[in-house]
Amino acid sequence: SQTIHQWPATLVQPVGSPLSLECTVEGTSNPNLYWYRQAAGRGLQLLFYSVGIGQISSEVPQNLSASRPQDRQFILSSKKLLLSDSGFYLCARGQTTMNTEAFFGQGTRLTVV
Amino acid sequence: GQSLEQPSEVTAVEGAIVQINCTYQTSGFYGLSWYQQHDGGAPTFLSYNALDGLEETGRFSSFLSRSDSYGYLLLQELQMKDSASYFCAVPHQGGKLIFGQGTELSVKP
Repeated sequence: SQTIHQWPATLVQPVGSPLSLECTVEGTSNPNLYWYRQAAGRGLQLLFYSVGIGQISSEVPQNLSASRPQDRQFILSSKKLLLSDSGFYLCARGQTTMNTEAFFGQGTRLTVV
Repeated sequence: GQSLEQPSEVTAVEGAIVQINCTYQTSGFYGLSWYQQHDGGAPTFLSYNALDGLEETGRFSSFLSRSDSYGYLLLQELQMKDSASYFCAVPHQGGKLIFGQGTELSVKP
């Protein structure tokens, strides 16, 4: 199974509030995990990726952070949301070591108001 | 650094053939993937090319030319349900997976 559980599906948060989005995956152990953000009508912006527990690579320095406390759990957080954090957040896992095929969760649509 | 270039929009009619191009610049190349994303949904994997040539999967085919840093997705016998955004993507050693900005395909009756 390549199931990826991502919740919630939609979220409305006020500016300045904290954020925690959780993603859990099924399937083979030690997957590569990713967080992407997509603005309306735009491409997939890579935010963070992880090749193992506790290993996080950041692509976009901003007020977001990520953690991987367990092999199949990937968490995206913010201490204080900005309006510009609104978007469609997608968690994904790589299928192989070289990520020739990625599987995505159903995404969280975040609106910061 | 790495970058991928795709046209932002393509329009075609039902039954036609459409080609979506992708050019890439990357340090270290391992292959080119294609994904489909319907409005409001998550991207789904379509194909992967590691070697030069054409890979065919039903109505969809994907082509790669490593010497030209170029690939394309070919959609044949277009159907209305093919209206979606299509992304090319390149994996990098070390785990990174980078996507292009996407091409929005509109299929007209």
